[in-house]
Amino acid sequence: EAQVTQNPRYLITVTGKKLTVTCSQNMNHEYMSWYRQDPGLGLRQIYYSMNVEVTDKGDVPEGYKVSRKEKRNFPLILESPSPNQTSLYFCATGVPGNTDTQYFGPGTRLTVL
Amino acid sequence: DQQVKQNSPSLSVQEGRISILNCDYTNSMFDYFLWYKKYPAEGPTFLISISSIKDKNEDGRFTVFLNKSAKHLSLHIVPSQPGDSAVYFCAAISNSGYALNFGKGTSLLVTP
Repeated sequence: EAQVTQNPRYLITVTGKKLTVTCSQNMNHEYMSWYRQDPGLGLRQIYYSMNVEVTDKGDVPEGYKVSRKEKRNFPLILESPSPNQTSLYFCATGVPGNTDTQYFGPGTRLTVL
Repeated sequence: DQQVKQNSPSLSVQEGRISILNCDYTNSMFDYFLWYKKYPAEGPTFLISISSIKDKNEDGRFTVFLNKSAKHLSLHIVPSQPGDSAVYFCAAISNSGYALNFGKGTSLLVTP
């Protein structure tokens, strides 16, 4: 079964405490991406990766880091989380050129106190 | 600046009637448009798409219309069903990229 998994699904943390949200896919997709969803703002892209070791900034990259050391994983790293990073985060994967098949993970709800 | 705009945050429609969700865009480089559906506590799922070389694409109860000159697209759901109640996101991709540019979403409620 094609799957995009994210962990954790829910996290409450405090300002400044480093955290990592993992994303893993079993579809051998080259493209992976992170979005955040905020009320009234829709989905905004944070970072994306077109392949292993290739990452680029999206629309709202400030305060985030990513890495793509292997094809299946694309972790999102918050080195020093702040309350304005409280949001719902989605990982997505796909095949470049096949735009209909971008799959989204179930989401991670992060609260930074 | 938001390049994909969904100006109606919510829409309520009676079961069996037509739901029309609208989307406007500003970037003339966008050449592929998609609609995603999102239920609470789940990730968005792809619903239907349209290429800029077409003006209509139909898939069962869902039809997307594209008016390039007006930079406007719409999603029609006929007939609407209570299970269609969800948030619908319009998204666009430019011919030079792969990133999805999303609108803010429209929450559709289909009442029995």
